[in-house]
Amino acid sequence: GIQVEQSPPDLILQEGANSTLRCNFSDSVNNLQWFHQNPWGQLINLFYIPSGTKQNGRLSATTVATERYSLLYISSSQTTDSGVYFCAVRQGAQKLVFGQGTRLTINP
Amino acid sequence: EAGVAQSPRYKIIEKRQSVAFWCNPISGHATLYWYQQILGQGPKLLIQFQNNGVVDDSQLPKDRFSAERLKGVDSTLKIQPAKLEDSAVYLCASSLTSTEAFFGQGTRLTVV
Repeated sequence: GIQVEQSPPDLILQEGANSTLRCNFSDSVNNLQWFHQNPWGQLINLFYIPSGTKQNGRLSATTVATERYSLLYISSSQTTDSGVYFCAVRQGAQKLVFGQGTRLTINP
Repeated sequence: EAGVAQSPRYKIIEKRQSVAFWCNPISGHATLYWYQQILGQGPKLLIQFQNNGVVDDSQLPKDRFSAERLKGVDSTLKIQPAKLEDSAVYLCASSLTSTEAFFGQGTRLTVV
């Protein structure tokens, strides 16, 4: 099955810094989503981005489907951005496959 | 628009006991998923329904786990008997076929 790798596994930054999270996948996909898992465990939808670039406030994402990767950018990080970020991909009508996540810690 | 509803939020049981989780998807969403997330790992699919038919249950431990989606709407996931290694967060999600998936708040299960 398709493999999803996220990097880095852990990232520690100071408030105000910018960060880039990467998601690599092993085969073509028709669905890619970025999630933020809050401290209570809920997965919050950030982006649905099978290809192209989207922006939402301080967050933006780019997926280059032909090269099988996606990037999540967080600018001017805040402590509330801390948590685990997951990338998940799908091929056709198959299951949504998750990476292992990037744990982001933003220190004040 | 109401999101995906799950209950209970937390459950503590002893090993060998049984437990059931309930999920109500977003109205009109044909696809419903149950995921298991063990601490420190990414979510892993247990079962995927399309309406009330099973699309993928290849990673469901069928000797102890069962799931049903009656009438193609809400769903229940059952574990019987529970083992210590079943301690995890159980996440339900729904989507319009193969499009964007939305997750519920999850049920945190502790087996002691």
